[in-house]
Amino acid sequence: AQRVTQPEKLLSVFKGAPVELKCNYSYSGSPELFWYVQYSRQRLQLLLRHISRESIKGFTADLNKGETSFHLKKPFAQEEDSAMYYCAFLFSGGYNKLIFGAGTRLAVHP
Amino acid sequence: EAGVAQSPRYKIIEKRQSVAFWCNPISGHATLYWYQQILGQGPKLLIQFQNNGVVDDSQLPKDRFSAERLKGVDSTLKIQPAKLEDSAVYLCASSLGVGGRGADTQYFGPGTRLTVL
Repeated sequence: AQRVTQPEKLLSVFKGAPVELKCNYSYSGSPELFWYVQYSRQRLQLLLRHISRESIKGFTADLNKGETSFHLKKPFAQEEDSAMYYCAFLFSGGYNKLIFGAGTRLAVHP
Repeated sequence: EAGVAQSPRYKIIEKRQSVAFWCNPISGHATLYWYQQILGQGPKLLIQFQNNGVVDDSQLPKDRFSAERLKGVDSTLKIQPAKLEDSAVYLCASSLGVGGRGADTQYFGPGTRLTVL
């Protein structure tokens, strides 16, 4: 079955520390993966997608097919990064159908 | 541009009652999605419309849930009768509906928080 796993419900770090939010997927083909973010009292929004190979707000994510992972990284966390982060996978059997992980709450402390 | 609008924002009902949620997508967006997000889980797609036609409703509990998108714009999601396990946030999203797998960014509304007592 195609699914996404985010093993950590909560990741707590201090400001300036590196951050890595883990995401693993199960799919034998070429996946398309995304990170969505939800800040407090805001809507769920797209942060980045792997096909763009972009860096948004200092975050990057690299697809590792060997480890079937798409971890989200930032070298120096900021307090404004505190939010819920969801990894999402584009389901191969549908049109633009996303499968979301359970999410990880990132808390950045001053 | 105006975002996806949803109403109501909160709803509390008793089990076996009926409830309806409304969604107005971003103007010009052909594709509309309804998601259910249970506490502690990620959003799960219930139904997806392309204009006013259903593209995917494989995870919609059709014995109690129904949805329609009249004229390919606004959409309504209904639950009748509600069960305790339907307590969740119901998210509506829309996208342009252009071609290109994975290229169609979904924009989410604020959600409706449903509590079934």
